[in-house]
Amino acid sequence: ETGVTQSPTHLIKTRGQQVTLRCSSQSGHNTVSWYQQALGQGPQFIFQYYREEENGRGNFPPRFSGLQFPNYSSELNVNALELDDSALYLCASSSPKGLAGENYEQYFGPGTRLTVT
Amino acid sequence: AQSVSQHNHHVILSEAASLELGCNYSYGGTVNLFWYVQYPGQHLQLLLKYFSGDPLVKGIKGFEAEFIKSKFSFNLRKPSVQWSDTAEYFCAVNPTSGTYKYIFGTGTRLKVLA
Repeated sequence: ETGVTQSPTHLIKTRGQQVTLRCSSQSGHNTVSWYQQALGQGPQFIFQYYREEENGRGNFPPRFSGLQFPNYSSELNVNALELDDSALYLCASSSPKGLAGENYEQYFGPGTRLTVT
Repeated sequence: AQSVSQHNHHVILSEAASLELGCNYSYGGTVNLFWYVQYPGQHLQLLLKYFSGDPLVKGIKGFEAEFIKSKFSFNLRKPSVQWSDTAEYFCAVNPTSGTYKYIFGTGTRLKVLA
């Protein structure tokens, strides 16, 4: 167990709907990253939040958005769901070390399995 | 573009066989390197990591990996696998400049036969 929790565990939505996924970071961690893991693929970076600000974004459209709260928990919102959004969504928390935030590791939660029909 | 290649998508071994999983990355700068394991129905767990120093790193459960900078490789090894090592293994690279994202390979599914 990493101390990173995600909710819900599973979710089924219809194309065109909106979804919100939640993540609680490990105690002491101020950075949350979100990844999408499609079936048979490795996780793909969506974006990262550091102290409530977006700190980098992968190659995902604007309908993927996020928030980080003062307690460092985070939400991932996806609007206008498409069938290809069906995947496991992973949250990872970390606490950057080093002068420039280098040398750190991410701790992953169990994920939310989203199915879009 | 930055990418990570895992050459073996599926590997089947008998117990006690030796394991080596390949991982190559394309990025010219300094990187942190990781191997994660995902057991069936469980979340990603860190096996080992390389930040700097000795290029041969040891992780949990008898796994080790060697960073060869000239080959942009970080191969995972275990001298003798067990049935409980059946899982999916992911190599990940974290460029130390720019955003702090991890770039994952597509994974290697290992099945160990008892």
